[in-house]
Amino acid sequence: QQPVQSPQAVILREGEDAVINCSSSKALYSVHWYRQKHGEAPVFLMILLKGGEQKGHEKISASFNEKKQQSSLYLTASQLSYSGTYFCGTHDMDSNYQLIWGAGTKLIIKP
Amino acid sequence: KAGVTQTPRYLIKTRGQQVTLSCSPISGHRSVSWYQQTPGQGLQFLFEYFSETQRNKGNFPGRFSGRQFSNSRSEMNVSTLELGDSALYLCASSPQGATEAFFGQGTRLTVV
Repeated sequence: QQPVQSPQAVILREGEDAVINCSSSKALYSVHWYRQKHGEAPVFLMILLKGGEQKGHEKISASFNEKKQQSSLYLTASQLSYSGTYFCGTHDMDSNYQLIWGAGTKLIIKP
Repeated sequence: KAGVTQTPRYLIKTRGQQVTLSCSPISGHRSVSWYQQTPGQGLQFLFEYFSETQRNKGNFPGRFSGRQFSNSRSEMNVSTLELGDSALYLCASSPQGATEAFFGQGTRLTVV
């Protein structure tokens, strides 16, 4: 079952904050976050493991709520370079921990 | 450390033909996964190989197949190409399945 990402797209002004959510109908083992810029390969941002651990990467951080089966990605004081499509991936414990992906959230940062 | 290398980068094929795409993972990585990416469809999982064995398979027809060699390099093959197979095909490698994945630049396949 594919994780559900919200919102599908968001447009921000440089300096504004954004939150991208990733929800699963199944119990989560871990959540991966990737960013893909147009015409490029997805790039790893961070991985969160069971335990409610919050990870950080520059001004991008994420939380993992095991109970709610969801993860949120926080982009603080967004920069133009944050533009791209953000994907969350979760491991399907019923299928050999196969990584399955959300449909993506397109983030556009305007000057 | 060299990244994931996919060849070719671009390919144009005719309906009915077959195609083979190649992926060389990062040295030491034993897991290779393949994805199809089309606008609006996101990343659709094709299959995952680990130590030459197919460990997982997505919901794609049998025309899509793959294999992994002893040096962890992987190939995927699509036979009897259809127009709908036009997509960006990405491969990703990781030391083992449940860790960070590193993506290649992809092969953009156009079927005409």
